Amino acid sequence: AQSVAQPEDQVNVAEGNPLTVKCTYSVSGNPYLFWYVQYPNRGLQFLLKYITGDNLVKGSYGFEAEFNKSQTSFHLKKPSALVSDSALYFCAYPWSGAGSYQLTFGKGTKLSVIP
Amino acid sequence: SQTIHQWPATLVQPVGSPLSLECTVEGTSNPNLYWYRQAAGRGLQLLFYSVGIGQISSEVPQNLSASRPQDRQFILSSKKLLLSDSGFYLCAWSMLDYNYNEQFFGPGTRLTVL
Repeated sequence: AQSVAQPEDQVNVAEGNPLTVKCTYSVSGNPYLFWYVQYPNRGLQFLLKYITGDNLVKGSYGFEAEFNKSQTSFHLKKPSALVSDSALYFCAYPWSGAGSYQLTFGKGTKLSVIP
Repeated sequence: SQTIHQWPATLVQPVGSPLSLECTVEGTSNPNLYWYRQAAGRGLQLLFYSVGIGQISSEVPQNLSASRPQDRQFILSSKKLLLSDSGFYLCAWSMLDYNYNEQFFGPGTRLTVL
């Protein structure tokens, strides 16, 4: 089955340090991949997506993600973490079936940025 | 620009009572619409999706149902709530045409069944 996985339930990083939230995929062909962020008691917000082309994708709030085909990864990164980045992050894989387009989400990674 | 609304924001209901959650989208037409449930602040479970008025697909057997009476309105219902129906319910929409179009989420409804 095609899927995405987030190997870390929680990531802690000090404010000002670089952060990485990991995502690996098991998808045939050339995958499309998304990252979303969810702040407490809020809906998900779209951060960025990889479709094709440049392996480094830039998104909202200073986040970027690197698509690595050889390692089947799509890690989310930010050079300098802010306390306000503390949230739940989801990697997702879009696919089509039965006349609709759907997203398969990873289980989520809770990011805590420590002041 | 497009916006998506959900109401109510929070709801506390007794076991066995009915449920109706509403989602509306503004600023677009003929969107795909989705209902998700999120338990314990973690993974999302797709409950229903709709590609058009009156067209509902269910992903998992459950105590819930969905309807799409208008192009930009999506309703999640139950005749009798169970304790296990508690959770955070999210509505989302996406454009119909490409599978790399992102989904846009509403603010969610926190449902507590007592």
